[in-house]
Amino acid sequence: SAVISQKPSRDICQRGTSLTIQCQVDSQVTMMFWYRQQPGQSLTLIATANQGSEATYESGFVIDKFPISRPNLTFSTLTVSNMSPEDSSIYLCSVEPRDEGNGYTFGSGTRLTVV
Amino acid sequence: AQSVTQLGSHVSVSEGALVLLRCNYSSSVPPYLFWYVQYPNQGLQLLLKYTSAATLVKGINGFEAEFKKSETSFHLTKPSAHMSDAAEYFCAVTLSGGYNKLIFGAGTRLAVHP
Repeated sequence: SAVISQKPSRDICQRGTSLTIQCQVDSQVTMMFWYRQQPGQSLTLIATANQGSEATYESGFVIDKFPISRPNLTFSTLTVSNMSPEDSSIYLCSVEPRDEGNGYTFGSGTRLTVV
Repeated sequence: AQSVTQLGSHVSVSEGALVLLRCNYSSSVPPYLFWYVQYPNQGLQLLLKYTSAATLVKGINGFEAEFKKSETSFHLTKPSAHMSDAAEYFCAVTLSGGYNKLIFGAGTRLAVHP
């Protein structure tokens, strides 16, 4: 399975600022996914990012708040913009498996605290 | 649309006892199903997966799950719990046929006491 390097692993940010999270994959992948895990809760998909096209956002998430870049087949960034304390969460990236039906691989996550 | 329901947000068992974590799914087409585990302050690790082959799936750390189409269930079991099994467990579903987004259940926190 792919190996994902996600950074930063954690950050404490002031409200009103923005944070960009990076995910680097050790192999080329078509689809990358960004999830949010609010404290004590499950994972919610923010958007799907395919190289060469605009990211597809899930209901409740908008591009102005969570802009995503996907410049090539091994890299993606998620920016959390104009942050408020409600954005304090773990953000995880994920990629599709090499073979259909295999498990999706996840990065180790970015623990964000907004103060 | 797919969805996953995990019954029981918290499950507590004694060390050595049977672990049973429940997962029911809803999908309009044959699904792929997964169980992931999340240890404190860590990312997600794949325990096992169902992809329309054998209905009884064996995973890592002694866990297994059985796909029951008639019951739309994919419950996770382990015959004998170990203290190190204490973690958060997530059931997830995706559509078969290609690479599609994962939909997660709410999670079940497993506690194992001596």
